[in-house]
Amino acid sequence: EDQVTQSPEALRLQEGESSSLNCSYTVSGLRGLFWYRQDPGKGPEFLFTLYSAGEEKEKERLKATLTKKESFLHITAPKPEDSATYLCAVQEHAGNNRKLIWGLGTSLAVNP
Amino acid sequence: KAGVTQTPRYLIKTRGQQVTLSCSPISGHRSVSWYQQTPGQGLQFLFEYFSETQRNKGNFPGRFSGRQFSNSRSEMNVSTLELGDSALYLCASSPTTGGAEAFFGQGTRLTVV
Repeated sequence: EDQVTQSPEALRLQEGESSSLNCSYTVSGLRGLFWYRQDPGKGPEFLFTLYSAGEEKEKERLKATLTKKESFLHITAPKPEDSATYLCAVQEHAGNNRKLIWGLGTSLAVNP
Repeated sequence: KAGVTQTPRYLIKTRGQQVTLSCSPISGHRSVSWYQQTPGQGLQFLFEYFSETQRNKGNFPGRFSGRQFSNSRSEMNVSTLELGDSALYLCASSPTTGGAEAFFGQGTRLTVV
């Protein structure tokens, strides 16, 4: 069964303490892997798309990487405003069915 | 550029009733997808509409239905509400079908009592 698992479920960091979030997936053929950020009371906000193993994308303090079985979201020197839930989703090659399979997210809290 | 607008933001309904939620996508976007978000299940895909046609469908019962109008606005309907339907319902718009780089609205929080 196609599945997306994110770890840890929750992470608390001190401001400036770098860390990584993990997203592992099992799909028959990956079309794309997507990272989103969700703040409380809001809808998810798109961050990155990764298509093939070895690919990396960066945005400010965030860097996303992709291997054949998992993706990492590296957070360098985080600030309190990086506190949010980070969601990972995968889209598989399956004919015309382009639906996304979502992980449950990692809730990140950055303390000042 | 206006974002995705969902109405209403909050809704309380009684078991057995039906409800209609509305989503106005970003201007020019023709794809609208609907999701149900709960703490235990996360985001679950309901369906996607593109140019007034349902293009993809998730694994939800027939009580969940939707439609899209010629101006790309979309509505989602849930009939015979159950307690388990309590959730945040999110709408996402995209310029292309299956576009995962989508823009989400703030959601409608539905509580069934």
